[in-house]
Amino acid sequence: EIVLTQSPGTLSLSPGERATLSCRASQNISGNYLAWYQHKRGQAPTLLISDASTRATGIPDRFTGSGSGTDFTLSISRLEPEDFALYYCQQYGDLPWTFGQGTKVDIK
Amino acid sequence: QVQLQQWGAGLMKPSETLSLTCAVSGTSLSGYYWSWIRQPPGRGLDWIGEINHAANTNHNPSLESRVTISVDTSKNQISLRLSSVTAADTAVYYCARGRKHFFDYWGQGTLVTVSS
Repeated sequence: EIVLTQSPGTLSLSPGERATLSCRASQNISGNYLAWYQHKRGQAPTLLISDASTRATGIPDRFTGSGSGTDFTLSISRLEPEDFALYYCQQYGDLPWTFGQGTKVDIK
Repeated sequence: QVQLQQWGAGLMKPSETLSLTCAVSGTSLSGYYWSWIRQPPGRGLDWIGEINHAANTNHNPSLESRVTISVDTSKNQISLRLSSVTAADTAVYYCARGRKHFFDYWGQGTLVTVSS
């Protein structure tokens, strides 16, 4: 199975700063079929990005996905208070679908 | 709007069979795969398996021998059964709509605790 490694484990930033989250795959993800989710405690995850760079409906343009092959990035241009949360990447290029272990973005 | 409402037993004993149901509204079952995903306490998300309206399934090999996923198109529901549970199966379980196998709608989550 494809193992996704997210880094860093925790990102401590202030509101207004830029966040850069990394997701590295153990092998090439076919079709660049990679998604990003935001997960807040007690809630279901929210889809942010699919196909590596396609923003989901209603997601603000401060969220940007990029990358291809084995290296992918989620950027949040200016952190808003509601952006402090856990973020997961997920590949859907090859079964079984797998998730990264998550990056926590917390307030500095 | 699309809604996934899930329910099932929250407290179980080891060796019992976990059973969860997810009712889908606001969308047809056809054209999508419907997944079960879980999150053990303090850990990340694990994909369990998926089914489509024609009952074609895919499973995570790590759980495949214990998992049964079914669909009831007349009720617009999907179900999960996980046999011989242990404490390691304690988790929040989610159902989710798979669009090209990424997940755009999720249920509210059900905490299942396995304890003797």
